[in-house]
Amino acid sequence: DVQLVESGGGLVQPGGSLRLSCAASGLTVSNNYMSWVRQTPGKGLEWVSLIYSGGATYYADSVEGRFTIARDKSENTLYLQMSSLRADDTGTYYCATVVWSDYYFEHWGQGTLVTVSS
Amino acid sequence: DIQMTQSPSSLSASVGDRVSITCRASQSIARSLNWYQQKPGRAPKLLIFATSILQRGVPSRFTGSGSGTDFTLTIDSLQPEDFAIYLCQQSYNLPLTFGQGTRVDIK
Repeated sequence: DVQLVESGGGLVQPGGSLRLSCAASGLTVSNNYMSWVRQTPGKGLEWVSLIYSGGATYYADSVEGRFTIARDKSENTLYLQMSSLRADDTGTYYCATVVWSDYYFEHWGQGTLVTVSS
Repeated sequence: DIQMTQSPSSLSASVGDRVSITCRASQSIARSLNWYQQKPGRAPKLLIFATSILQRGVPSRFTGSGSGTDFTLTIDSLQPEDFAIYLCQQSYNLPLTFGQGTRVDIK
């Protein structure tokens, strides 16, 4: 069975940084398309970032230049490095597998809460 | 970006009812439309992909239809465990976008 477990969320001040992790089991992160999706009070569910198995990365305009998606093959873990955080980045962040042929989110983690506040 | 608009935003129904939820895209997305169910405090769960293909393990009372810009999720004979929020998502192009959700609660 596929299991995705996020961690790293917490309270951070505006302008601060945070790194989220998504530890995977039952699948190989580097062989799959993987995404981060967030759920915020203001915008509901919002796709944040995508990494292809080949390594190409894509970002929502709202996080481009501030967030970086990455993965560690040896740890079988997906990461989201977030910097210059703003209040509207507050929300629950999910990692999810993306089915390459149809770009839907098949497996989801339980989410990790990020709160940006002074 | 493709905007996804769901209607209604909420509905009340009884166990055994048939309910339909609509999702409209701001431009044609062919059949690149997916549906998710979300319960409080939980991650979304994939129900249907590519408009009408049921994900493994999802009961057959869930059906999806549509193409182009207009899509429908139908739940036949609503069960107690179906009271939740339902969300659509277009996978036609990046950025992948979601509807705002439809809450189905108990009448």
